[in-house]
Amino acid sequence: GAVVSQHPSRVICKSGTSVKIECRSLDFQATTMFWYRQFPKQSLMLMATSNEGSKATYEQGVEKDKFLINHASLTLSTLTVTSAHPEDSSFYICSARRAGLYQETQYFGPGTRLLVL
Amino acid sequence: GENVEQHPSTLSVQEGDSAVIKCTYSDSASNYFPWYKQELGKRPQLIIDIRSNVGEKKDQRIAVTLNKTAKHFSLHITETQPEDSAVYFCAATFGNEKLTFGTGTRLTIIP
Repeated sequence: GAVVSQHPSRVICKSGTSVKIECRSLDFQATTMFWYRQFPKQSLMLMATSNEGSKATYEQGVEKDKFLINHASLTLSTLTVTSAHPEDSSFYICSARRAGLYQETQYFGPGTRLLVL
Repeated sequence: GENVEQHPSTLSVQEGDSAVIKCTYSDSASNYFPWYKQELGKRPQLIIDIRSNVGEKKDQRIAVTLNKTAKHFSLHITETQPEDSAVYFCAATFGNEKLTFGTGTRLTIIP
């Protein structure tokens, strides 16, 4: 299989605090991981692309200093939402792409629902 | 960059009937077209995908067709069941580039 886990599944925090979300590929090595944000009844919006050992590539309009991404190994990427505000409340989903044949396929994590009060 | 349009945004189908969702893409270099199913509050799940070297692919009740000349691809679900109710997203990409998603179709199967 190609299993991707995410932790935590749900987090509630106060405005101004930072929140870290972990994304792990459990049974394969991920050459690339992606971070998406999804607002209610909307499509997935790509925030950034993360490659192991290198800096993340952010999409236009996404603040790299606010959404810190670390991809320390081939199985783990983290997203830290710094100084979170209510407008950052959303469903954050990671995905991972494996090396080898058919490497275009992305496998998604279960998502993290963030609520900033 | 790539642009993917998806229609319809909502679709209601009587149980047992077929459902068709259509997508068009702008980048003629795109060569990989996955379809994802997302239930409320859950992760998107890959249900079928197609590469540009084939025109049609089928997996039980689900099929995808691709017309490279017209730059559109479609998802076909036959003999629909209540558990098919979900939001479906198409996507397109070229090589190792990022996926571009459609806007989604909310499919409701009426028992």
